[in-house]
Amino acid sequence: KAGVTQTPRYLIKTRGQQVTLSCSPISGHRSVSWYQQTPGQGLQFLFEYFSETQRNKGNFPGRFSGRQFSNSRSEMNVSTLELGDSALYLCASSPAQGSGFSYEQYFGPGTRLTVT
Amino acid sequence: DAKTTQPTSMDCAEGRAANLPCNHSTISGNEYVYWYRQIHSQGPQYIIHGLKNNETNEMASLIITEDRKSSTLILPHATLRDTAVYYCIVRTNNDYKLSFGAGTTVTVRA
Repeated sequence: KAGVTQTPRYLIKTRGQQVTLSCSPISGHRSVSWYQQTPGQGLQFLFEYFSETQRNKGNFPGRFSGRQFSNSRSEMNVSTLELGDSALYLCASSPAQGSGFSYEQYFGPGTRLTVT
Repeated sequence: DAKTTQPTSMDCAEGRAANLPCNHSTISGNEYVYWYRQIHSQGPQYIIHGLKNNETNEMASLIITEDRKSSTLILPHATLRDTAVYYCIVRTNNDYKLSFGAGTTVTVRA
């Protein structure tokens, strides 16, 4: 099975711009989660989508948004970029079923976003 | 409060088994032990998880003590590519997010 793919792998943006990151989960996985990872804050949960619905949300401002499509692919968008948004953005898919989250998460390689 | 305690770092010789300990003395009955690793600048990689029985897959073995207060991840034949930060976490079926502590930095030396 192909793993989780994320595009683009690297991105450089300017403050104030917006960015869209894409994630294709492992085939058959319906749950997609997004994380932000920085050296100072570590791994921080952004949100989780299941069957096109945002099921859980982390503590990030409204500038961070996402969506999931019927084929389980997901995108996240960051508007009005700030310098502090520079990070590795990770997507993880899980074969979680129903309301439980009892399964392992498989991560993609991440998108390295640099805001200048 | 951290739910798991791991050594900060450890070295291992290539080709030898690497035994990574993890203490989780306050683990609840419905919490699983998960192991992930992260190679520098890459996404975290799921390794293995277990509830109370020992588990083995193609990557590693997980040994959980009978009282479930500690566990050991075993990489049977460490290679240079196993150099990474290894994270031990405990989570229930309903934990929708992962949270990593500092983990153990494992360096495999030739």
